[in-house]
Amino acid sequence: GQQLNQSPQSMFIQEGEDVSMNCTSSSIFNTWLWYKQDPGEGPVLLIALYKAGELTSNGRLTAQFGITRKDSFLNISASIPSDVGIYFCAGPIQGAQKLVFGQGTRLTINP
Amino acid sequence: SAVISQKPSRDICQRGTSLTIQCQVDSQVTMMFWYRQQPGQSLTLIATANQGSEATYESGFVIDKFPISRPNLTFSTLTVSNMSPEDSSIYLCSAQINEQFFGPGTRLTVL
Repeated sequence: GQQLNQSPQSMFIQEGEDVSMNCTSSSIFNTWLWYKQDPGEGPVLLIALYKAGELTSNGRLTAQFGITRKDSFLNISASIPSDVGIYFCAGPIQGAQKLVFGQGTRLTINP
Repeated sequence: SAVISQKPSRDICQRGTSLTIQCQVDSQVTMMFWYRQQPGQSLTLIATANQGSEATYESGFVIDKFPISRPNLTFSTLTVSNMSPEDSSIYLCSAQINEQFFGPGTRLTVL
């Protein structure tokens, strides 16, 4: 079945640094989604990508839909303490609305 | 987007008992989903719950263990039946409004 491989699994950075994480698949996705999950909360949608090559920003966050439709990346610029959490990529399984999720990237920021 | 609430937010249960989790959406939606998130893991889809039809379960999940109700377009319940410690997880509902939006989750501990 369709699977998403997300890396890195965890990141430990200093406040103010930029962050980059990515998601790859052996299958084509028509939509890429990036969610953030804070402790004790459900995932919150950050960015949705719908077209190959699309580059979309949401504040300090930028995400791109890979041209092959098999990958996506998320960048966070000038990280701040509230960026701490787990970031998940996700995409709909072809022909269905149900989502498959990557393994998540746990971001820790040292002040 | 949507505002999604879940009840209870957390519970501690004895093995062999059952717990029903409620999910309320602030707007009418056709498609709702139930996920399980085991400790430190990503989200795994349990079932798709469309109003007016039987829930569709993913491989590894069965109706006898996880019965689902979807009585109207704003509400769904998931029951975790005959619980064992292996059922200790976070259970999340989501609603499809263009993309999927998630509730805050129910943290279940089974002793």
